Amino acid sequence: QQPVQSPQAVILREGEDAVINCSSSKALYSVHWYRQKHGEAPVFLMILLKGGEQKGHDKISASFNEKKQQSSLYLTASQLSYSGTYFCGTEKVAGGTSYGKLTFGQGTILTVHP
Amino acid sequence: DAMVIQNPRYQVTQFGKPVTLSCSQTLNHNVMYWYQQKSSQAPKLLFHYYDKDFNNEADTPDNFQSRRPNTSFCFLDIRSPGLGDAAMYLCATSRGWGGSGYEQYFGPGTRLTVT
Repeated sequence: QQPVQSPQAVILREGEDAVINCSSSKALYSVHWYRQKHGEAPVFLMILLKGGEQKGHDKISASFNEKKQQSSLYLTASQLSYSGTYFCGTEKVAGGTSYGKLTFGQGTILTVHP
Repeated sequence: DAMVIQNPRYQVTQFGKPVTLSCSQTLNHNVMYWYQQKSSQAPKLLFHYYDKDFNNEADTPDNFQSRRPNTSFCFLDIRSPGLGDAAMYLCATSRGWGGSGYEQYFGPGTRLTVT
């Protein structure tokens, strides 16, 4: 089952912050975040494993609440290069044929203007 | 420095004419994936290999087949492409499987057009 991302689209000015949410109805083992620019391959941002961890890289960070099966991606002081479509990919907990596979959300289009 | 390479980058084929897309990797990863991504949609997993073990998604059409002759190469064969198969096909690899926290490395994709 596909995770649900919100919002569907965000428009920012350089320097503004944004939060993208990813929600699943299934128990999750991990959440992966990717950014894809138009016509290019998705680029890995970070993975969060169950355990309710938070991660950060430069001005992009994320959290994972395994009890709520929700993850959020935080973009701080956005730059023009942040523009693109952000996908969360969720991995369900062990068991069954879905183990180890990612199901991607529908994507959030982020546009950063000067 | 290319890690996951896909050829060709653009492929035009005729309705019903078989086509093969290729993927190679220099990462020596155990797992290789094929995704289909249609315009403005999320990547959708078609199948994956763990080493030589092949796993087909339940909703992957029979029209789609795959081969992995060795660790480095993987092929996607579309036996009789229809107009609905026009999409970007993404190959990805990862070092491990299943909750291991391993990221997937994506190739640049092959954009398939069916005329």
